[in-house]
Amino acid sequence: SQQGEEDPQALSIQEGENATMNCSYKTSINNLQWYRQNSGRGLVHLILIRSNEREKHSGRLRVTLDTSKKSSSLLITASRAADTASYFCATDRGYQKVTFGIGTKLQVIP
Amino acid sequence: SQTIHQWPATLVQPVGSPLSLECTVEGTSNPNLYWYRQAAGRGLQLLFYSVGIGQISSEVPQNLSASRPQDRQFILSSKKLLLSDSGFYLCAWSVEGHTEAFFGQGTRLTVV
Repeated sequence: SQQGEEDPQALSIQEGENATMNCSYKTSINNLQWYRQNSGRGLVHLILIRSNEREKHSGRLRVTLDTSKKSSSLLITASRAADTASYFCATDRGYQKVTFGIGTKLQVIP
Repeated sequence: SQTIHQWPATLVQPVGSPLSLECTVEGTSNPNLYWYRQAAGRGLQLLFYSVGIGQISSEVPQNLSASRPQDRQFILSSKKLLLSDSGFYLCAWSVEGHTEAFFGQGTRLTVV
């Protein structure tokens, strides 16, 4: 079963706007990761946040984690057309089991 | 630097035919290896993972099998493909103790 569920499933914004995607999960985790997938390609790791962290930044990316609500958000600031892709959260429950959500399809309109 | 190779990129196979997808990793030793399947518009489903040569764990019962004949080689196989085996198959690796995964470019399998 899918551990993570991203919300919204699709998002369309204008270039320059911020994009926020959310992820909810059901069981305890060791860490949570966000990945990006361009259409028909493999996934690329963006950022990992550990269960004892609440916020993490990487360039234009900002990730938050609320373990009490079992949720995470990914914020992409000042979006660009090249940010158009699907974004997945993945939760690590240990024992090499990383479970992916169904993803948010982001379209950034130039 | 580490690289992962997955081939072929696309494959069209008739129902009942065998399957062999290969994945190799370069530049690292004793990686954890994974096979995922992604159905259209869906997330990734973990099929198999391996922490060492000959050590395969299966996540879901299905028509597929996996083998790891060498440290950096992971093979996904089927003796007889079903229509439901169609999908996008992704190989990935990670370092023991770290869960950041590095993905291959995927194989789009269409069973006809």
